[in-house]
Amino acid sequence: QLVQSGGGLVKPGGSLRLSCAASGFIFSDYYMSWIRQAPGKGLEWVSYISSSGTTIYYADSVKGRFSISRDNAKNSLYLQMNSLRAEDTAVYYCARGESSILAFDFWGQGTLVSVSS
Amino acid sequence: QSVLTQPPSVSAAPGQKVTISCSGSSSNIGNDYVSWYQQLPGTAPKLLIYDNNKRPSGIPDRFSGSKSGTSATLGITGLQTGDEADYYCVTWDSSLSGWVFGGGTKLTVL
Repeated sequence: QLVQSGGGLVKPGGSLRLSCAASGFIFSDYYMSWIRQAPGKGLEWVSYISSSGTTIYYADSVKGRFSISRDNAKNSLYLQMNSLRAEDTAVYYCARGESSILAFDFWGQGTLVSVSS
Repeated sequence: QSVLTQPPSVSAAPGQKVTISCSGSSSNIGNDYVSWYQQLPGTAPKLLIYDNNKRPSGIPDRFSGSKSGTSATLGITGLQTGDEADYYCVTWDSSLSGWVFGGGTKLTVL
């Protein structure tokens, strides 16, 4: 299971931290990503973190504003979102991937982030 | 504008077959594996195909995937009304150092 929390309404320029709690599998064996979906739009990859946390990538649209991290001891993934903009409004999904395959084999339920004044 | 190009919509009758194309470039589809996802209305995406043509456990063999050069295709046979959903192709882009998604294709089963 991947259970997400931390979404909500925030003003432009504000900050929010998303969490994704994993259970039922060995969290430290999987790489993780955040993927978002703006209302009525398609999926957009946001950020990636390797299983150990040593390799991190960001989409250009969030680079310098968002920070991904994980705590393997707590089986948790995080996304710290700063300097939020209206265009960051979306449902955010956490998703896991196994190192042997290039795919996201399980997704969280999604959490809505709304950026509005 | 998505890096990977998919048709916005496709449709077919129940029982028929449909294919969904996904076009990319040498830095993404031409260089790595493609996966496909099904997103039913109001739900999280679900993995249908990985490594171009492999199905996870529990995915029926009505779903198939293929790749040739810089394009990939998802095929669905024996269409059912329950297959009505949005479908996305995904791969890694070595130039962008990130995952890239297609814009999504809405399947209507008439």
